[in-house]
Amino acid sequence: QKEVEQNSGPLSVPEGAIASLNCTYSDRVSQSFFWYRQYSGKSPELIMSIYSNGDKEDGRFTAQLNKASQYVSLLIRDSQPSDSATYLCAVNGPDDMRFGAGTRLTVKP
Amino acid sequence: GAVVSQHPSRVICKSGTSVKIECRSLDFQATTMFWYRQFPKQSLMLMATSNEGSKATYEQGVEKDKFLINHASLTLSTLTVTSAHPEDSSFYICSARGQGAFLFNEKLFFGSGTQLSVL
Repeated sequence: QKEVEQNSGPLSVPEGAIASLNCTYSDRVSQSFFWYRQYSGKSPELIMSIYSNGDKEDGRFTAQLNKASQYVSLLIRDSQPSDSATYLCAVNGPDDMRFGAGTRLTVKP
Repeated sequence: GAVVSQHPSRVICKSGTSVKIECRSLDFQATTMFWYRQFPKQSLMLMATSNEGSKATYEQGVEKDKFLINHASLTLSTLTVTSAHPEDSSFYICSARGQGAFLFNEKLFFGSGTQLSVL
């Protein structure tokens, strides 16, 4: 049984700060990793995908992957109140995609 | 980007009735569709995986006779909640994985979700 672990939060940061979200996974076969953002009552939307070790940057978002440690993270720079949402870590296996429980982020003005 | 259309967005029904939820991939062929359920303030829980033309694979604890899944074509999958009860009230979300390039294969495209309320 694959497991994807996230701190449920809530994580609260002031506007303009860096928000750091972490995720660990247990299935060594996993090759693809994703971060989704979900607003209350809405479907998840894809923010970042990462496939190889290291950092991947896209605007204010940076995903980091360490396959040896089975660890993936998301950094949000210059956090904005509109970033307040639940962030889901997702790990892709050969048959399905598993999600973490999500971390609730609140960015305070 | 790829679009997955899910209907209805919200449904309220009486206990004992059946509800059908449709999920369509609008501009790509979805070889695999996933159905998730999400209770308030909880994460997405995978209910079942369906591949076009074959029977769905249900996760442990999900009653296949209660949650009927049909994936008859590469663009349409349906989830029918039979004899719904108040405990079935939840947010149901479909997602689709397409065929084609490696990266396209990996991503999931989500429907907008269906909020089911059983009275």
